[in-house]
Amino acid sequence: DAGITQSPRHKVTETGTPVTLRCHQTENHRYMYWYRQDPGHGLRLIHYSYGVKDTDKGEVSDGYSVSRSKTEDFLLTLESATSSQTSVYFCAIRSPAGGDAEQFFGPGTRLTVL
Amino acid sequence: KNEVEQSPQNLTAQEGEFITINCSYSVGISALHWLQQHPGGGIVSLFMLSSGKKKHGRLIATINIQEKHSSLHITASHPRDSAVYICAVRPAYSGGGADGLTFGKGTHLIIQP
Repeated sequence: DAGITQSPRHKVTETGTPVTLRCHQTENHRYMYWYRQDPGHGLRLIHYSYGVKDTDKGEVSDGYSVSRSKTEDFLLTLESATSSQTSVYFCAIRSPAGGDAEQFFGPGTRLTVL
Repeated sequence: KNEVEQSPQNLTAQEGEFITINCSYSVGISALHWLQQHPGGGIVSLFMLSSGKKKHGRLIATINIQEKHSSLHITASHPRDSAVYICAVRPAYSGGGADGLTFGKGTHLIIQP
């Protein structure tokens, strides 16, 4: 299994509070992604990173920010959590191989915003 | 906008049956992925393909680039195959390939003993 972990695995928070989710990899892969998974929508891309300090927005980036100060860590921050951000969040990594390559997913973080 | 459609949404079958899950997409792609997710579990990559056919054990994935269509087949299905199967594509316009995947909504498969 690819060395990718997420923390916390479960979190319950209140509307308006800041929340940070962490994705940590031991594979030294260049590309990292944050997705959210919701019933009826499938997985959707929030933000991605193509290197240290290099990030870009995905399909559903509103209300989220990210940071990548080290190759191994990709942080997702909800500045002021809302109930619509209740979801399961998955981090993924991809090797820098030429052409396309498999994505490996973390175990997910279940976030509930009350 | 790229759309990824899977069918069926739900499928219940008896152990031993041959299973087919379909995926159609609307734009040119550089690769198509099939993923598996068990209830409450993580997401595992089954196949990545850009042409032809791949086989791994009882699983077979095919793709027809001209028709923008892929199928995932399971032979001699078993209750442990019960999971959500997800199709995902990387659009060809993603350039260097850093963009993430676009996903279908998944097919919920239940194999009854």
